[in-house]
Amino acid sequence: EPEVTQTPSHQVTQMGQEVILRCVPISNHLYFYWYRQILGQKVEFLVSFYNNEISEKSEIFDDQFSVERPDGSNFTLKIRSTKLEDSAMYFCASSGTGLANEKLFFGSGTQLSVL
Amino acid sequence: GESVGLHLPTLSVQEGDNSIINCAYSNSASDYFIWYKQESGKGPQFIIDIRSNMDKRQGQRVTVLLNKTVKHLSLQIAATQPGDSAVYFCAVTWGATNKLIFGTGTLLAVQP
Repeated sequence: EPEVTQTPSHQVTQMGQEVILRCVPISNHLYFYWYRQILGQKVEFLVSFYNNEISEKSEIFDDQFSVERPDGSNFTLKIRSTKLEDSAMYFCASSGTGLANEKLFFGSGTQLSVL
Repeated sequence: GESVGLHLPTLSVQEGDNSIINCAYSNSASDYFIWYKQESGKGPQFIIDIRSNMDKRQGQRVTVLLNKTVKHLSLQIAATQPGDSAVYFCAVTWGATNKLIFGTGTLLAVQP
């Protein structure tokens, strides 16, 4: 069964450093997402991406965050200058057509720890 | 804004019993509802979904019930097994957006 894959599974970084989280969405999917989950809390939407541009973003997704699809298979989330409060599990997701009322498939996540 | 909450943070059941996990949502415009299962260290895994034009949908051992009048959603798991132990999230969306709003999660603990 096709799946969303994320690397690395764990990332430890120093505050102020840049990190790039990587994702390979399901190959024929067109919509891509990043969500995050702070330990013990609910999963929160960060951003959605379609046709090489951001289609929607949350208040969390400020100027420190950016997303990119550098080639035909990867989808990345960059945090320019990490803060302690960026520590969370980051999930990438994709969906087939991006139409409303369509289920999202999630990867296993990258646990980001900012020290 | 939308809020999605669950009635019980933890549900403990005996193996073989039926489980019911509840979820309330606030936005009456919500029109698509999904249940996800999250095991420790993994991402949310799709279980079942339902659209607002339905009030019940069944899958393998799972049933989702939707009551739009009171804005309530439930997940029923029949003959609960130890492998069902996980955190269960409801998520809702509405209109043209694909942004899912997740609930806070219910931990289902299945006792052997």
